Order: sequence, then C-alpha cells, then structure tokens
Amino acid sequence: AQKVTQAQTEISVVEKEDVTLDCVYETRDTTYYLFWYKQPPSGELVFLIRRNSFDEQNEISGRYSWNFQKSTSSFNFTITASQVVDSAVYFCALRNINDYKLSFGAGTTVTVRA
Amino acid sequence: NAGVMQNPRHLVRRRGQEARLRCSPMKGHSHVYWYRQLPEEGLKFMVYLQKENIIDESGMPKERFSAEFPKEGPSILRIQQVVRGDSAAYFCASSTSGTDTGELFFGEGSRLTVL
Repeated sequence: AQKVTQAQTEISVVEKEDVTLDCVYETRDTTYYLFWYKQPPSGELVFLIRRNSFDEQNEISGRYSWNFQKSTSSFNFTITASQVVDSAVYFCALRNINDYKLSFGAGTTVTVRA
Repeated sequence: NAGVMQNPRHLVRRRGQEARLRCSPMKGHSHVYWYRQLPEEGLKFMVYLQKENIIDESGMPKERFSAEFPKEGPSILRIQQVVRGDSAAYFCASSTSGTDTGELFFGEGSRLTVL
C-alpha cells in the first residue's frame, strides 16, 4: 500500500515571502517516482516535477525548489519570493516504478496576498 | 500537438440522469486513465484502459459507473442515475505505455454537478 500525506491544508502568505509545502509518503517499494502538480483556480492540473527515488539530488527551477529526503520519506516543495499567480492547490503524488497508478495527497491550498 | 482533450468541461445533471464524459488522449497515446477529485480532496484512481480493453477498474464504484475506450473515438466515462455524491471533477490522463518512465499527461478535467 502507498500513501501520500500533505499535512498542511492551507497556507496564506504575503507576496515575496517564501513558502514551503510538506509532503510525506509511505511505500513498500524501493523504487518509485514522486511528483508535484499545481491546480490553479481554473482547475486544470499542471505538472511541475517528477523525481526518481534513486536520485536524491535536490532540484531548482526558477523560483521553485524541491528537497527530497529519502531517509525521512519526504519530498518538500519551496516557492521562493511568492507571487499572486502562485495561488493554487498543490498536490504531491507517488507512483511505484512498476505501477501505473498515481497516489495523490489531499493537497495544500496556497494563497498569496498582494 | 494537442494535449489530452476532455469534454464537456462543465456538466450539470439532475439526480437520476446520465452523465457522459469524453476524453481524447494525446496523439500517439494508447493508454487512458480516469481519476476523480471529490471536493476538497486529492485525485483518486478510477480506471485504466487501453484500446478496447479495461485493464484495471479497481477504483470504479461497482454500480452505475462504466468506462470504455473503443477502437475509434474517445474514451467515455459513463455514470448512470447520478446522485449528488457523484459531483466531482473527473480527470483523464494518457500515456504511451502503462509503466513508462514519463509522467501522465492530464486533461483539464470535466466538472460534474448533480442537482
């Protein structure tokens, strides 16, 4: 069985603040993929990143960065210098490498105020 | 290169009516997945289909729900005799294979409201 937990339901910040979204996962498999998706108010699901379990190198893409800690089963996501356009629901997800099903967390709603 | 296309984007039905949601996968993709997002929740897997075959429907409610992916045309998720609890966003995703190393490509979702 696999499970993804996003303990933060809602986060509200003022523009230019940094915001970190927590994601903790459980899986019996040793190889898997981790994902982050963004769901803006318009409702579509936007792919942000995929990480392999055997690659723990942290990644930065513009104002986004991801911290993968296999020892603590966490895959946290930080938005630096947040902007109003970052307001969305963010989902963390897990897929075992030989499976096709994605397991999603419940999502964290981020509100960035001007 | 069009992405995954879903229609309708919004659908309103009264209790007892039928809802049909359509999904055209990305060009070259022969694997389709349906996920459901209930209000305030993450997405939950419903069904995985290949052309003319249901591979895994373990996430589908046993009654009133069915899915198909015919040889020609889009995949269809059909909900008969809808109830208020069926109100949700239904997302379709596609891939080139079932366990490839790429991410799933999601459509924009179909939002069903049952009055």
